[in-house]
Amino acid sequence: EVQLVESGGLVVQPGGSLRLSCAASGFTFHDYAMHWVRQAPGKGLEWVSLISWDGGWTYYADSVKGRFTISRDNSKNSLYLQMDSLRAEDTALYYCAKDGIAARPNYYYYYMDVWGKGTTVTVSS
Amino acid sequence: DIVMTQSPDSLPVSLGERATINCKSSQSLLYSSNNKNYLAWYQQKPGQPPKLLIYWASTRDSGVPDRFSGSGSGTDFTLTISSLQAEDVAVYYCQQYYSTPYTFGQGTKLEIK
Repeated sequence: EVQLVESGGLVVQPGGSLRLSCAASGFTFHDYAMHWVRQAPGKGLEWVSLISWDGGWTYYADSVKGRFTISRDNSKNSLYLQMDSLRAEDTALYYCAKDGIAARPNYYYYYMDVWGKGTTVTVSS
Repeated sequence: DIVMTQSPDSLPVSLGERATINCKSSQSLLYSSNNKNYLAWYQQKPGQPPKLLIYWASTRDSGVPDRFSGSGSGTDFTLTISSLQAEDVAVYYCQQYYSTPYTFGQGTKLEIK
């Protein structure tokens, strides 16, 4: 069974940092691009970031560019999101999601077919 | 950035009736080299993560009931539920994966009339 489990969500002060993790299982992790998507309380979905299967290419929403860094460790089947200079508007439930098609060795990106249950980040003083 | 606009925001439908949700993109999602529309639909029930329903605008994901169907091309797309069941109450989102940044519609809340 394909499974994604996020962790690392906490209450953090504005300006602080946090690192989210996503543990993947049930599929060949290094074949797939991976995403982070967030959802502020009572709001819709906002795509945050994407990383290629090998970690060589990364993409970000303008709202987090320069503050967040996506990375992965294929030896550990894990995805990460380093969040710096956090703001109140970063408060959200953060989901990791698997890309829908195994792209390796190419660099194409698709829909998100499997999602984790999410981890909650609250930025508040 | 590609802007995705859904209509309506809220949709009350009687059990057994048809539900139709529209999604419009600010630019074409049709990739000419493979003739595919880079549009997906997700269902999100309260307290749950989103679930993929439809990709390539009209392909149902594995296990999705055939009462769900997607149609459209270019900039105009539709999600149709042919006969509403109680378990279909959820918020539905369209999403483009034509280019980064990926963008979602604002969501349509489907409820029982």
